[in-house]
Amino acid sequence: GQNIDQPTEMTATEGAIVQINCTYQTSGFNGLFWYQQHAGEAPTFLSYNVLDGLEEKGRFSSFLSRSKGYSYLLLKELQMKDSASYLCAPMDSNYQLIWGAGTKLIIKP
Amino acid sequence: IAGITQAPTSQILAAGRRMTLRCTQDMRHNAMYWYRQDLGLGLRLIHYSNTAGTTGKGEVPDGYSVSRANTDDFPLTLASAVPSQTSVYFCASSDSYGVTDTQYFGPGTRLTVL
Repeated sequence: GQNIDQPTEMTATEGAIVQINCTYQTSGFNGLFWYQQHAGEAPTFLSYNVLDGLEEKGRFSSFLSRSKGYSYLLLKELQMKDSASYLCAPMDSNYQLIWGAGTKLIIKP
Repeated sequence: IAGITQAPTSQILAAGRRMTLRCTQDMRHNAMYWYRQDLGLGLRLIHYSNTAGTTGKGEVPDGYSVSRANTDDFPLTLASAVPSQTSVYFCASSDSYGVTDTQYFGPGTRLTVL
């Protein structure tokens, strides 16, 4: 079966760095997406990885290891507005996104 | 408008009633999707359409139907609502289906079935 595993909730301090891990098992693989979702709002696209390695985009970076079925999202210089849920979503062989339940990130001053 | 709009924003519905959730995009995207999001679960695909005139079933299609008469609109219909269909419904679109295009989401419809 297809399975996505990410922590339910994490807490971090404003200005710090946090890493949100995601492990996955899918039928085939066509890359992995990360989305951000603020409470009561729609998911918004953050990053896409299809090759192994780190993709950096400002304060956010995303890493992928296809052989390990593992990805992480790294958020630097945390701001209060980064309080949100972060959704890991690999794309399977049918090009359908398989969504994790999301990690709720709480930022404390 | 720019992006995807959904209507209504929220709705309380009696069980057994028929309901259509509307979704319109102005990005000329070929592919559109309907998801439901329930607490503690990931987004689950209900139906999708890879181009106007064609639709397909996702992971949880039972109790729902869709149509795609044109590029912009992708309504989702609940023929006879049941309480287990209480959820937040998101419409999304992407440039194409069957490739690794980013999906863009509408603001969602919060539906409560009593």
